[in-house]
Amino acid sequence: KQEVTQIPAALSVPEGENLVLNCSFTDSAIYNLQWFRQDPGKGLTSLLLIQSSQREQTSGRLNASLDKSSGRSTLYIAASQPGDSATYLCAVRPLGSSNTGKLIFGQGTTLQVKP
Amino acid sequence: EAQVTQNPRYLITVTGKKLTVTCSQNMNHEYMSWYRQDPGLGLRQIYYSMNVEVTDKGDVPEGYKVSRKEKRNFPLILESPSPNQTSLYFCASSSGTGWTGELFFGEGSRLTVL
Repeated sequence: KQEVTQIPAALSVPEGENLVLNCSFTDSAIYNLQWFRQDPGKGLTSLLLIQSSQREQTSGRLNASLDKSSGRSTLYIAASQPGDSATYLCAVRPLGSSNTGKLIFGQGTTLQVKP
Repeated sequence: EAQVTQNPRYLITVTGKKLTVTCSQNMNHEYMSWYRQDPGLGLRQIYYSMNVEVTDKGDVPEGYKVSRKEKRNFPLILESPSPNQTSLYFCASSSGTGWTGELFFGEGSRLTVL
């Protein structure tokens, strides 16, 4: 059974710091991995999608890497800003016969960037 | 603007009173899905739809119904809501078969059942 873990659960950093959020998954048989941002009481905003054949994706100050064989992904945020404060969720789409297209989510890392 | 729109965003209702949460996407996506988010349990899939008139159960379908009569709409129906269905609900859509496409989520619908 695929499980996704995000450590730490919470992180507080000063503005301007570069930071890394971690995501690990137990089964490397995945179609892709997607990183989301969720603001309190809001929906999920897609940040980056990495297909299983890719190693990394970049968007602005964000860079996500994928090491499928070791079951790990990292989200790198450069020059953090207070506006980056949110909960970051990673999710994998597993291969397999169920074919529901569902994502398996981690519990998220809540990031606070202090001015 | 490409988006997934859910209504209502907030709803307080009573046990047993039927309700429908609507979901509409303007991206011509074939795949749509409903999730619920609960503290400590994370996001779990309720139902999904591969295309018009094709729907199937996710991990937690009990107490819910869906329909997919049009490509853009995927309503979630609670025939007889119970307090354990108090949750934050998200609709999502994706292009293609749903396996490799990016999943886009709506803003969420917070439901309280008294």
